[in-house]
Amino acid sequence: EPEVTQTPSHQVTQMGQEVILRCVPISNHLYFYWYRQILGQKVEFLVSFYNNEISEKSEIFDDQFSVERPDGSNFTLKIRSTKLEDSAMYFCASSVSGVAARYFGPGTRLTVT
Amino acid sequence: AQSVTQLGSHVSVSEGALVLLRCNYSSSVPPYLFWYVQYPNQGLQLLLKYTTGATLVKGINGFEAEFKKSETSFHLTKPSAHMSDAAEYFCAVSDVDSSYKLIFGSGTRLLVRP
Repeated sequence: EPEVTQTPSHQVTQMGQEVILRCVPISNHLYFYWYRQILGQKVEFLVSFYNNEISEKSEIFDDQFSVERPDGSNFTLKIRSTKLEDSAMYFCASSVSGVAARYFGPGTRLTVT
Repeated sequence: AQSVTQLGSHVSVSEGALVLLRCNYSSSVPPYLFWYVQYPNQGLQLLLKYTTGATLVKGINGFEAEFKKSETSFHLTKPSAHMSDAAEYFCAVSDVDSSYKLIFGSGTRLLVRP
């Protein structure tokens, strides 16, 4: 069964550093998403991406965040200058359409020290 | 704004007992509804979804949920709990007007006692 994959599984970085989280969505999916889950809290929407542009973003997704689909398979989330409060599990997801079920990857645990 | 309420942050049942996890949403227009399960240190796995049609939907692992528009609810049930069902369960909704955002509830941790 096709699945969303994410790398790395765990990333430790120092405050102020840039990080790039990588995702490979399911191959025939057209919509891509990033969500995050701070430890002990609910899953929060960050951004959706379709047709090579952001279709919706939350208030969390400020200028420090960017997304890119650099080639036909990868989907990345970049945090330009990490803060302590960016520590969270980041989930990538993809779907066939904008309202279809999202299929989530296993997540990248980001720890900012 | 759309919101999702999951009553009970923790639910404890005995193995073999009925599982009932509650979810209510706030939209006046019936949204698309989902249940996800998260096992420890893993990602979110889709259990089931409701978009249109039959209001009782069956998912994986013996779970099912019923969409009740009059009650704005989408409760998740399983007739007989198994130890392997112990996990965190999230209800989520998306707006029918093509909002790309899934709104998650705060989750319910299911504990299964032997």
